[in-house]
Order: sequence, then C-alpha cells, then structure tokens
Amino acid sequence: GENVEQHPSTLSVQEGDSAVIKCTYSDSASNYFPWYKQELGKGPQLIIDIRSNVGEKKDQRIAVTLNKTAKHFSLHITETQPEDSAVYFCAASSNRDDKIIFGKGTRLHILP
Amino acid sequence: GAGVSQSPRYKVAKRGQDVALRCDPISGHVSLFWYQQALGQGPEFLTYFQNEAQLDKSGLPSDRFFAERPEGSVSTLKIQRTQQEDSAVYLCASSLGGGSYEQYFGPGTRLTVT
Repeated sequence: GENVEQHPSTLSVQEGDSAVIKCTYSDSASNYFPWYKQELGKGPQLIIDIRSNVGEKKDQRIAVTLNKTAKHFSLHITETQPEDSAVYFCAASSNRDDKIIFGKGTRLHILP
Repeated sequence: GAGVSQSPRYKVAKRGQDVALRCDPISGHVSLFWYQQALGQGPEFLTYFQNEAQLDKSGLPSDRFFAERPEGSVSTLKIQRTQQEDSAVYLCASSLGGGSYEQYFGPGTRLTVT
C-alpha cells in the first residue's frame, strides 16, 4: 500500500521568512496530493491540493510542487506569519479507493 | 455553510465499556470517511462509505470496531469493550464524491479510555 514520508518533523522559522516541508510517496498510482493544517484541538483543514497532471499550484502565500518521476511533493509558505504556526500534514490518495494516506506531520513554529 | 460536525467532542470511557461516536457530514456529500489520530501522529484511515454502502473497512483495527451509515447521511462509529489502546481522536471527513477528491474534516472526538 501507499506510504507517505514527511520531513522535517519540526520546523522553526523567523516571521517573514519562508518555510518548506517535503514529502515522498511510494505508490505510483497516487494522483491526488492534499495538504492539511491542524491547529490544537481542531480537525485538519484542507489548505491546498494538487493533482498529478499539474507540476505546481499557488494560492497567495502558499505553493505546492509535485515531481511525479521522483515521487516528491513539497509545500512552500512565503512571508510567514504567527497564525501559520500549526501542524501541517501532507497526504496522498488515488482514485482506486479514495482513502487518504497521511504523513506524520510537521510542527511549524513561527518565531517573532 | 455548515461543516462536518461530530459529537461528543470528548468522551471518557472505562475499560470494557461500549462507546458510540456520531458524525454529521456536509449536506449533500456522498462519501464519508472515519480516521483515527493517535497523539502526535497523522490521521489513519479506518473505513469509508459511499451513501449507505460501506465500501472499505480495511483500516478497522479489530472486530470491536463497527461503523454504519444507514440512511446515507449521519454515521456512527461504535467501539465495543473499549481498551486503553483505543484512546485517540476519531475524525470524520466527508467528500462530494463522483470524482471530487477533497475531504473536509470535522473537529474530531477525543476518546480517553481509563
């Protein structure tokens, strides 16, 4: 089955700097890659996603890139703000069964 | 509009008790998923419904776990004879279905088994 690896597990960046989180997946059939943000005591919130027919997608300060050949995908957050502090999860899914396989998460700290 | 809601938000059960966790998906969403999230980990898939049909229950950890969605809307996850290892946050997500992949999560139910 699918396996999603996520790095780093913890990331601290100065406010205003950029943050990058990287993930790899194992199943070449995976074709949908969502990213979720989870704040303490809340459920995961979908912040951006990318499908396998696209290499890059951007939404304001957030961008995702996908390298299908290498089975790598990344989340980039620019001009980080205190409210970006949270746990971020990458995930992968295929239309074979629709279930989402999550990485273990990255705890992002934005330092003042 | 209203998102996915779950109840109760917190549940404390004594070991051996049965519990029932409820999920109200977004109105009109065909697909419904249950995930289990242990402390400090990512959510792990438990089971999946399309309308009232349970299409995948491969993630249920034991036969003590049972899920249903009898009318294709509200779903209940039941855990019989709870054990300490069942302590986790149980998350429900719903999706429009029909090729739409986006899953929207509820706030979860934190289950603590003492």
